[in-house]
Amino acid sequence: GQNIDQPTEMTATEGAIVQINCTYQTSGFNGLFWYQQHAGEAPTFLSYNVLDGLEEKGRFSSFLSRSKGYSYLLLKELQMKDSASYLCAVMDSNYQLIWGAGTKLIIKP
Amino acid sequence: IAGITQAPTSQILAAGRRMTLRCTQDMRHNAMYWYRQDLGLGLRLIHYSNTAGTTGKGEVPDGYSVSRANTDDFPLTLASAVPSQTSVYFCASSTTGGLESEQFFGPGTRLTVL
Repeated sequence: GQNIDQPTEMTATEGAIVQINCTYQTSGFNGLFWYQQHAGEAPTFLSYNVLDGLEEKGRFSSFLSRSKGYSYLLLKELQMKDSASYLCAVMDSNYQLIWGAGTKLIIKP
Repeated sequence: IAGITQAPTSQILAAGRRMTLRCTQDMRHNAMYWYRQDLGLGLRLIHYSNTAGTTGKGEVPDGYSVSRANTDDFPLTLASAVPSQTSVYFCASSTTGGLESEQFFGPGTRLTVL
């Protein structure tokens, strides 16, 4: 079966750095997406990785290792507004997104 | 309209009733999707459409139907609602259904079936 695993909840301090991990087992791989979802709102796109390595976009970076079936999202200089759920999704061989359950990130002052 | 709109925002429905959730996008995207989101579970794909006139089944299609008569609209119908269909429903769209195709989401419809 297809499976995306990520921690249920993480807590971090304002101004700090946090790494949210995602491991996956899917039928085929056509890229990995990270989305942010604030409570009661729709998911919004953060990043896309299809090749191994690190993609940096401002305070957010995303890393992919296809051989290990592993990705992480790195958030730097945390702000209170970063409190949200972070969703990992893999595009499978049918070009459909398989979603993890999401990681709820709580930022404390 | 800017982006994707969904209607209604929320709905309470008696079991056995028929319900259509509406989704409209103005970005001229070819691909559209319907997901449900339940607590503790990831988004699950119900149905999708890669282009107007075509539809396909996702992971959890039973009890739902869709149509794609034109590019902009992608309604989801529950023929006879059951309590297990209580969920938050998101419509999404992307330029294509292929690689690097970021999906844009509507605000969601919160549906409760009693």
